[in-house]
Amino acid sequence: EAQVTQNPRYLITVTGKKLTVTCSQNMNHEYMSWYRQDPGLGLRQIYYSMNVEVTDKGDVPEGYKVSRKEKRNFPLILESPSPNQTSLYFCASSSDRLYGYTFGSGTRLTVV
Amino acid sequence: AQKVTQAQTEISVVEKEDVTLDCVYETRDTTYYLFWYKQPPSGELVFLIRRNSFDEQNEISGRYSWNFQKSTSSFNFTITASQVVDSAVYFCALSEAVRTQGAQKLVFGQGTRLTINP
Repeated sequence: EAQVTQNPRYLITVTGKKLTVTCSQNMNHEYMSWYRQDPGLGLRQIYYSMNVEVTDKGDVPEGYKVSRKEKRNFPLILESPSPNQTSLYFCASSSDRLYGYTFGSGTRLTVV
Repeated sequence: AQKVTQAQTEISVVEKEDVTLDCVYETRDTTYYLFWYKQPPSGELVFLIRRNSFDEQNEISGRYSWNFQKSTSSFNFTITASQVVDSAVYFCALSEAVRTQGAQKLVFGQGTRLTINP
């Protein structure tokens, strides 16, 4: 089944404790992206990647890092999480820059 | 800059009523794509439709229909004879064909929470 898999689905962590949210797609898509969803703000792009080793900042990149060492994986790294990063995070992938994204199931992160 | 506005934050209707979700967008590009996504209570994002800027034909898929009007920069979504299972948050999104760094950027509206009451 074609899908984008994120892990974990739920995560509660403490301020300052580094964490990684994994994302993997099995569709051989070139484009991958991370979004965060907050009430009243919709979804905002954090980082995106056009291909292996090619990444760039989205609209809200502060406090996040990403890497794209393999085509299928695009992990999101929070080096020092803060409470304002409490959010619902989505990973997404696309074969064509204009086709729209297939989204993962989301990761609900709470930073206390 | 591209922007998507969904002015209706929440809508509540009784089952079997028709309901229209509004979406207004802003873009300077002449080539772009518009999307609707559904987010049910389980939280995942489900793709509903994609429409490019050169195709203003309305689209119907079962009880769902979409009205794209370039003149008013709107891409509205209508559910006919609504059902409880239609309860979800619906997002409208815009992707410009701007070849900036070859990247795709999908800009979302704030979402409309639709509640269908039995």
